[in-house]
Amino acid sequence: AQSVTQLDSHVSVSEGTPVLLRCNYSSSYSPSLFWYVQHPNKGLQLLLKYTSAATLVKGINGFEAEFKKSETSFHLTKPSAHMSDAAEYFCVVSRGQAGTALIFGKGTTLSVSS
Amino acid sequence: GAGVSQSPSNKVTEKGKDVELRCDPISGHTALYWYRQSLGQGLEFLIYFQGNSAPDKSGLPSDRFSAERTGGSVSTLTIQRTQQEDSAVYLCASSLRSSGLTYEQYFGPGTRLTVT
Repeated sequence: AQSVTQLDSHVSVSEGTPVLLRCNYSSSYSPSLFWYVQHPNKGLQLLLKYTSAATLVKGINGFEAEFKKSETSFHLTKPSAHMSDAAEYFCVVSRGQAGTALIFGKGTTLSVSS
Repeated sequence: GAGVSQSPSNKVTEKGKDVELRCDPISGHTALYWYRQSLGQGLEFLIYFQGNSAPDKSGLPSDRFSAERTGGSVSTLTIQRTQQEDSAVYLCASSLRSSGLTYEQYFGPGTRLTVT
């Protein structure tokens, strides 16, 4: 069965410092992996996705993630945090090999201080 | 273009009543999904429709929950005899879908259901 584990429920950074949100996955086959962001009172928005092409995936707003099969990880990074990055972030794996429903991690709340 | 829309945005109901939640997917999207977001369980899959195929109902938590999709477009999620544990935000998503390919799911704003 497929699953994702987000290793931190809450991450706090200062504006201008790097962001690292950690995610490990479990899958019996080559997975499709995603990061979604949810700002307060807003809908879920796709940040980036990995679908077995390049292992380093670039997303919107300066975020990127690296798929590491040997470590079963898909950590999300950004070189310099902005106040507007404060939100909840979800690491997600596709449920089936052909890609049907999504399985969400528990979420990581990112706080950014000035 | 228009995104996924859901109605109502908020619904308060008494325990034991039935509720219907509506989702209008993005035009042309063949796949439609329902998820539930609650404090205790996080975000969990409920049901998935793809074209004219039988829906994948494996995520429905009980037989009080059902969903239909009419004409391959609008979907309605029905919860019968609501319980307090049904209180959650119900999210709908849609995507293009083709065998072997995974397309982005676009999410609606959700319906916040409160059962009193």
